[in-house]
Amino acid sequence: DAGVTQSPTHLIKTRGQHVTLRCSPISGHKSVSWYQQVLGQGPQFIFQYYEKEERGRGNFPDRFSARQFPNYSSELNVNALLLGDSALYLCASSLDTYSGNTIYFGEGSWLTVV
Amino acid sequence: GDSVTQMEGPVTLSEEAFLTINCTYTATGYPSLFWYVQYPGEGLQLLLKATKADDKGSNKGFEATYRKETTSFHLEKGSVQVSDSAVYFCALTDSMDSNYQLIWGAGTKLIIKP
Repeated sequence: DAGVTQSPTHLIKTRGQHVTLRCSPISGHKSVSWYQQVLGQGPQFIFQYYEKEERGRGNFPDRFSARQFPNYSSELNVNALLLGDSALYLCASSLDTYSGNTIYFGEGSWLTVV
Repeated sequence: GDSVTQMEGPVTLSEEAFLTINCTYTATGYPSLFWYVQYPGEGLQLLLKATKADDKGSNKGFEATYRKETTSFHLEKGSVQVSDSAVYFCALTDSMDSNYQLIWGAGTKLIIKP
């Protein structure tokens, strides 16, 4: 079975532009989360979606938004990009929102803002 | 709020040495505990987990025991290999956290010399 897949793997954007990152969860997983990882640090939680509804939101500005589709795939959108948005964006999936479930990560999307 | 503290790196060892990476946590509810590993340029892979006190997670020669009395989840391996060189993250999910997020330690970089 395929794992969590993300696209694109690498992209370069200019300050002020908009970016859309995509994620397909493991088949059968209904929960998708997004994390931002800046080089040399641990991941920071951005959003969690379950059954197409936002269930959790981290401490990120409103420039960050996301959604989950009926097939449980998800998009993360970032508007008005800043240099500080340069990071690895990780998508994760799990069966549901039970805290003991394993959360599986994709390979990530490397975003560079110039 | 919940937090995870892990020993700072880098940790440099010789091949076949014994490894311990310390991890302690604070949690409001009843946490599940995880170790993830990140190889250079890659995403996060689950190494092992434990969901209740006194559980031992194990995988690929690595072990960690959920110690509620000391709020710890230390990672150990009896004989490390060069291929174990990576960044190791301790993390938790909390049954009381409505965000259903992983709370991360800062990561410990492990360098194994031949």
